[in-house]
Amino acid sequence: RKEVEQDPGPFNVPEGATVAFNCTYSNSASQSFFWYRQDCRKEPKLLMSVYSSGNEDGRFTAQLNRASQYISLLIRDSKLSDSATYLCVVSNRDDKIIFGKGTRLHILP
Amino acid sequence: DAGVIQSPRHEVTEMGQEVTLRCKPISGHNSLFWYRQTMMRGLELLIYFNNNVPIDDSGMPEDRFSAKMPNASFSTLKIQPSEPRDSAVYFCASSLRTSDYEQYFGPGTRLTVT
Repeated sequence: RKEVEQDPGPFNVPEGATVAFNCTYSNSASQSFFWYRQDCRKEPKLLMSVYSSGNEDGRFTAQLNRASQYISLLIRDSKLSDSATYLCVVSNRDDKIIFGKGTRLHILP
Repeated sequence: DAGVIQSPRHEVTEMGQEVTLRCKPISGHNSLFWYRQTMMRGLELLIYFNNNVPIDDSGMPEDRFSAKMPNASFSTLKIQPSEPRDSAVYFCASSLRTSDYEQYFGPGTRLTVT
């Protein structure tokens, strides 16, 4: 099993719809989780951290399920500008940092 | 702050040549990371430094790759000799501390080895 796995997509979603994708991780000792966003030919940028209690930032909600070892990202009322690749990041107690390969999202007008 | 600065932005070189990529982290950040990104393998951590000291270089592909951080404001990633399979985008990132903190990425260096 890969250390961090994401569905590569692409997810083609009409504007205004809700979309969600997951990221699974294999190391139960993982302790920090993040979602990064990467636009085409640009660098990754932090979208949000993922806390044990879940967190919400505007239209974006991130959740952590330790029992099943996955994190999720939900985008409500999607905008054209949400089109990007979303990278899941997991780090362990020994500071090993692993990026998923990303999920491509296309918001359709 | 100008953010993480990388140079050059693009590099085209012939197989066998030495390539040096440069990075200036955000002032005050104690951790610096070098990544490589390709379509096939995604974003891979090559090496990271904490307070200028290399902590984990297990991602460095082979002896042709080396990285240094002589001071808190400068790091280099060197490939010698370069090979076509090294073609990728190389990102440098910095953070206040290690993995628990947001990483700020530079714009990347797009390397093409012919």
